[in-house]
Amino acid sequence: DIVMTQTPLSSPVTLGQPASISCRSSQSLVHTNGNTYLSWLQQRPGQPPRLLIYQISNRFSGVPDRFSGSGAGTDFTLKISRVELEDVGIYYCMQASQFPYTFGQGTKLEIK
Amino acid sequence: QVQLQESGPGLVNPSETLSLTCVVSGYSISNVYHWGWIRQPPGKGLEWIGSIYNSANTYYNPSLKGRVTISVDASKTQFSLSLRSVTAADTAVYYCARLPSGGGFDIWGQGTLVTVSS
Repeated sequence: DIVMTQTPLSSPVTLGQPASISCRSSQSLVHTNGNTYLSWLQQRPGQPPRLLIYQISNRFSGVPDRFSGSGAGTDFTLKISRVELEDVGIYYCMQASQFPYTFGQGTKLEIK
Repeated sequence: QVQLQESGPGLVNPSETLSLTCVVSGYSISNVYHWGWIRQPPGKGLEWIGSIYNSANTYYNPSLKGRVTISVDASKTQFSLSLRSVTAADTAVYYCARLPSGGGFDIWGQGTLVTVSS
């Protein structure tokens, strides 16, 4: 199985300041078709996960442009340019390049 | 607007079978998407259980040791999860979700808590 490792596991951030979450996979996520199926999800307290980013850097419909994704191969990053109160929650990376699909452990974003 | 809603018993006895259904509204389950189940034990992270594509092609997490079956209803308006021989370790919130070709689960149900206990 591909192991997804996120850092940090907890990120206290000041409102209006940037935040960054790293996700590293134990193997390359480049699929045989050339695509890289790395996505980022946000889970607010008491809510189901919500898709933010797919295929490394594509923002899903309705996601604010302060969220951005980057990376390649085994190293990926989610950035929030200016953290807002509604961004509090747990962020997960997920790979769908190889079965079984796997998630990172989650990074808890909280406000200082 | 496509919506997913899980339903099923909230309490299952150990060693029995957990059965859940995901009703898909606003869309007829087609060959365009994969449809999957993901679970989250209380206070923990997400685990992919399995997915179904084209109503017959299924993919399961080997960690569940062959206890899982996912199927699509003939009406193509719902799909189901069956998890056999459950233990307390299977206690979790179970989500159904849609997976488009872009590789991110884009629509999720609200989730249903299933507790395994006698």
